[in-house]
Amino acid sequence: NAGVTQTPKFRVLKTGQSMTLLCAQDMNHEYMYWYRQDPGMGLRLIHYSVGEGTTAKGEVPDGYNVSRLKKQNFLLGLESAAPSQTSVYFCASIPPGRGFNEQFFGPGTRLTVL
Amino acid sequence: RKEVEQDPGPFNVPEGATVAFNCTYSNSASQSFFWYRQDCRKEPKLLMSVYSSGNEDGRFTAQLNRASQYISLLIRDSKLSDSATYLCVVTTGGGNKLTFGTGTQLKVEL
Repeated sequence: NAGVTQTPKFRVLKTGQSMTLLCAQDMNHEYMYWYRQDPGMGLRLIHYSVGEGTTAKGEVPDGYNVSRLKKQNFLLGLESAAPSQTSVYFCASIPPGRGFNEQFFGPGTRLTVL
Repeated sequence: RKEVEQDPGPFNVPEGATVAFNCTYSNSASQSFFWYRQDCRKEPKLLMSVYSSGNEDGRFTAQLNRASQYISLLIRDSKLSDSATYLCVVTTGGGNKLTFGTGTQLKVEL
């Protein structure tokens, strides 16, 4: 049981490049989330999914797209990266029927956009 | 006004001290409340849930005051290993989203 994993762990992009961040969980969790964390800003919700095939916007969705084609995977895409998207990205998931007693986080992806 | 506000610190305390963190939230419809711990360059991890009746887990005590929209975390007999950032978290928006405070940094020193 690997928990929540994120790929890649680090990435440097040039402005305008695109990339996809992968979040995978092997715990059969329904809800999955993408956050970004910036100094002094806390974690901010980008997009989330309440089940396979569904996605919804969070607090800061602009410049990002997501897909949840399989229950275990939640992809975050940057179509045209900007320096303002330099951040640490965390994925999280919640097990079914557990309410919010625990949200499991991945180890994070550190992205720098030059 | 931020939905969840915390004093960013840092709180520098000697080992063995008692330290308290406070957090206020603006949405009176918030449903659930938590404290998370985040070590440097690591992911957040749940420390404890917070209930209206107050709850304790070893050296940690959490309190919720719904009338004042205020949450607290008390750490007794601080250890060096308690050094971390403590995040106040509430559920909003129908209960399927978490809103995080910016965190309070704690440094426990010899």
